[in-house]
Amino acid sequence: DAKTTQPTSMDCAEGRAANLPCNHSTISGNEYVYWYRQIHSQGPQYIIHGLKNNETNEMASLIITEDRKSSTLILPHATLRDTAVYYCIVRVAIGGANSKLTFGKGITLSVRP
Amino acid sequence: DAGVIQSPRHEVTEMGQEVTLRCKPISGHDYLFWYRQTMMRGLELLIYFNNNVPIDDSGMPEDRFSAKMPNASFSTLKIQPSEPRDSAVYFCASSATSLEQFFGPGTRLTVL
Repeated sequence: DAKTTQPTSMDCAEGRAANLPCNHSTISGNEYVYWYRQIHSQGPQYIIHGLKNNETNEMASLIITEDRKSSTLILPHATLRDTAVYYCIVRVAIGGANSKLTFGKGITLSVRP
Repeated sequence: DAGVIQSPRHEVTEMGQEVTLRCKPISGHDYLFWYRQTMMRGLELLIYFNNNVPIDDSGMPEDRFSAKMPNASFSTLKIQPSEPRDSAVYFCASSATSLEQFFGPGTRLTVL
């Protein structure tokens, strides 16, 4: 799986958009970008994934650059409950030997009141 | 749906004792994953199963660790004998298609 690079931490004000960047310059054509988050003392939680088109769901939006070498996870209106470690993961979507997720250190998002 | 269920939530044991962690995946999910999380090493995949068959156990640290999945609704991770360096939070996760994984609340293991 391609390696990802994320800043160590960032913060944002409650109610504002949180834009979390991720670099994955060695991504292959068949690899997806996944985002998970882990709130303190809980198990990781799936947020969103995408291949090359921008994706949006009830939790967040995922913007992938045209060359697919980087992406941004957007939380449109951050709340205090969004304070967590956010993991950007790249992997092939198909199952079997490619089913596992490799978590890096992630980015710690702190939402301030 | 109750989600992925893990037991116990907390376990404190002494070095040398056998420890068994349990997981009940979400009904209908055919993938089951065991992860370990420590401050030093982060979140690591230990082993995963597909249709109750172990697919990749390359993350299992050593022979003291073993995992089984006797049926689609139950899995165990056993450590025998346990050592202080095994202290960590152990997560179980399941998925239906290997895309979105659903994690349990974890078992916090402390080996004294």
